Amino acid sequence: AQTVTQSQPEMSVQEAETVTLSCTYDTSESDYYLFWYKQPPSRQMILVIRQEAYKQQNATENRFSVNFQKAAKSFSLKISDSQLGDAAMYFCAYHPAWSNNNDMRFGAGTRLTVKP
Amino acid sequence: DAGVIQSPRHEVTEMGQEVTLRCKPISGHNSLFWYRQTMMRGLELLIYFNNNVPIDDSGMPEDRFSAKMPNASFSTLKIQPSEPRDSAVYFCASSFRLAAGSNEQFFGPGTRLTVL
Repeated sequence: AQTVTQSQPEMSVQEAETVTLSCTYDTSESDYYLFWYKQPPSRQMILVIRQEAYKQQNATENRFSVNFQKAAKSFSLKISDSQLGDAAMYFCAYHPAWSNNNDMRFGAGTRLTVKP
Repeated sequence: DAGVIQSPRHEVTEMGQEVTLRCKPISGHNSLFWYRQTMMRGLELLIYFNNNVPIDDSGMPEDRFSAKMPNASFSTLKIQPSEPRDSAVYFCASSFRLAAGSNEQFFGPGTRLTVL
């Protein structure tokens, strides 16, 4: 079974600084997708960024980028120029590309605090 | 598109009562997921449907929980009888399942259930 591990229950960052959230996963699949979701206090789950495992290039979405290390099964999220609105729970998630199952595996989450 | 719609947003009930949570997925999506989120257990997948058919209900905690999807645009999660330990936020999510694809899930705003 695939598992997703987020080893940092809580992180904090100073406004305008950069922070990196860690995620590792365990899978025997070679083709899969990885996601980072953000859950602000409103509870709404929002997709932040997506990475296809077959792509070597790291995904980037404005201030959000990932460091995808396939051999190490690591998928960290970097937030640059942190803003107060970035404060939220962040969930890493895994989904196999070829599978009869359609369920996504989530990590336990990392709570990010942004200090003004 | 209105996104995934859930109702009610908040539900407070007494132990032993029946609770029904409702979800309308994004139009055109063919997979629907029910999750439960608590502080202690994080985000748990309860059940998911592909093309209105339940595929995996191994996450459903007990026989008190049941879910239905009578058509492509509506699903319910029912708890009967409810217990205080069922208090949680319940999310519905939908996606368009491809044979191989990112299968990104779009989440509803959640229903906060409190069982007294």
